[in-house]
Amino acid sequence: NAGVMQNPRHLVRRRGQEARLRCSPMKGHSHVYWYRQLPEEGLKFMVYLQKENIIDESGMPKERFSAEFPKEGPSILRIQQVVRGDSAAYFCASSPLGGTGARTDTQYFGPGTRLTVL
Amino acid sequence: KQEVTQIPAALSVPEGENLVLNCSFTDSAIYNLQWFRQDPGKGLTSLLLIQSSQREQTSGRLNASLDKSSGRSTLYIAASQPGDSATYLCAADNAGNMLTFGGGTRLMVKP
Repeated sequence: NAGVMQNPRHLVRRRGQEARLRCSPMKGHSHVYWYRQLPEEGLKFMVYLQKENIIDESGMPKERFSAEFPKEGPSILRIQQVVRGDSAAYFCASSPLGGTGARTDTQYFGPGTRLTVL
Repeated sequence: KQEVTQIPAALSVPEGENLVLNCSFTDSAIYNLQWFRQDPGKGLTSLLLIQSSQREQTSGRLNASLDKSSGRSTLYIAASQPGDSATYLCAADNAGNMLTFGGGTRLMVKP
């Protein structure tokens, strides 16, 4: 059973370009979470998605950032018109259950995508 | 809003020592508390998950405790080895949707 897969592992973009980060959850997991780790800072929650739905995007910047998890295919985190401050490691996690109530499942993390904006 | 703090930020010990990493959280209404390991340039590996109703969990040389009332968790590593060198992160799960991470403890175990 393959773990959470993220690609690319490293992404270099120039200011103003678009960055697309992909995440394939573990088999059987239908809940995906995105986190960002800025240099010398801790991981911060960005967004939680289920198939075709955004459940919680309270950690997403208001502009330029969007996320989707289509019925088929990986989850995508899209950053438009990147700026140097977007340089960070972006981690995806998945779990088999999620949301309200007493969810107690571990989130399984991918290896991350390291975005560098020149 | 949940805030998670880890002390110390960095720790260097000789091989063989037993050590304790500390994690504190401000909102005790948690579903669970998780400990992760992160190696440089790598992703996160889940070490232990303590449900809100539990007091501790053990895996090999690792033991994690949880005291919700005081807002504290500790990770105990017995007989430390150089291979234990990594950053250790604790994360509190409140809303069921997100984890709130501490800043981590960077551990170096010297041979």
